[in-house]
Parts: sequence; C-alpha cells; structure tokens
Amino acid sequence: ELKVEQNPLFLSMQEGKNYTIYCNYSTTSDRLYWYRQDPGKSLESLFVLLSNGAVKQEGRLMASLDTKARLSTLHITAAVHDLSATYFCAVRSGNQFYFGTGTSLTVIP
Amino acid sequence: KAGVTQTPRYLIKTRGQQVTLSCSPISGHRSVSWYQQTPGQGLQFLFEYFSETQRNKGNFPGRFSGRQFSNSRSEMNVSTLELGDSALYLCASMLAGANVLTFGAGSRLTVL
Repeated sequence: ELKVEQNPLFLSMQEGKNYTIYCNYSTTSDRLYWYRQDPGKSLESLFVLLSNGAVKQEGRLMASLDTKARLSTLHITAAVHDLSATYFCAVRSGNQFYFGTGTSLTVIP
Repeated sequence: KAGVTQTPRYLIKTRGQQVTLSCSPISGHRSVSWYQQTPGQGLQFLFEYFSETQRNKGNFPGRFSGRQFSNSRSEMNVSTLELGDSALYLCASMLAGANVLTFGAGSRLTVL
C-alpha cells in the first residue's frame, strides 16, 4: 500500500518566519496534492502538482514536487496568523488518493 | 455552483446501532469517495464509486458499506456501530478526467 509521510506533525512558528513542511511518499506518482483544513471544517484544495519539478505559489505558500526523490515540500514565507491550519499532502494512484498524516501549523504573534 | 453536500452534519448513535450518511456530489461529478478522519488515524480511504460501481475499497471491515445511485448521489452505511467508529466522515467528488477532489463539510458521528 502506498505510504505518505509528512513532517513535522506539529509546527509552531512565529509570525514573519519561514518554514517548510515535507511530504514523502513510497511509490512512483506524478500527482501530488496539498490541502488545508481549518478546525472543524472540511478540506480545501491548495495546490495540484502534476509533473516532476512542478512549482506552484499562492500568496505566502509555495509547493514543489520532486518525483525522483518522491518528495514534495510546502514552503511558508513570512508566516501570518491566518495560515494557522492543518495541511495535508496527498498522492494519487489510479483513482485512489492517499493522504499524509497532516501537519498542524500554529502561527504565533 | 453548489458544492458537495453531506447530510446529516452531526449525529449521535449508540453502540450496536447502524447509521446511513448521504453525499450529493457537485453536479456533473460522477466519482464519489468516502474518507474517515480521526485524530489518531488521520484520513483513511473507505471506498470510491463511479457510475454506480465501486472501483476501490479501503481496508475497513464489512460493516462499512456504500452505494451510488444513478444521479451520482452516494450513501455509506455503518452497521453494528462501535465506539471506534466515532469520526468525521468526509465525502469528496471529482469530475471524470480531472485531478482535484472537492470535499464536503463532513458528517460528524459520535458513538456512545
């Protein structure tokens, strides 16, 4: 079964700082997704990465994909409180999506 | 454009009972997936339906079942509820040939 691992699981960072969340997966795939979940809410799609070397940016978040290393990163630049949420990466294999354990991000003023 | 609609949003059951959850996908989306989310296990895949056929099934006991109707609406059923079935059940739909799952708000089940 495809395994998806994220680290760190918990991240507390100060406003204005930069940090990276890592997502490793266990089998070949060129379709990697990042989702955001606010407490008590559903999952919201952030990025869809469909090829090796893909990089996408939205505001203070930037996601990249290295299919050879089976690694995706979600980089946070100059964090603000509004980014506090849980972030999930997911890998698609066929018609099934496999989700990572999630990274709970808290941005402290 | 309406999103993915799940009902009920919250429900409380007791052990041994059964529950049926409903999911209406985005219009035109024929693929519907179900996930169980718990603090300890994260998001776990239950099953995926496309055009009324179950295409994939996760590693859950037979107490968990689902179906999809001709209008793409889907239901999942959990029989003989256990305390460990308490979770947020998320439904997601996807347009055929597309790459993004769109999730509903979820049904939060509490088993007492």
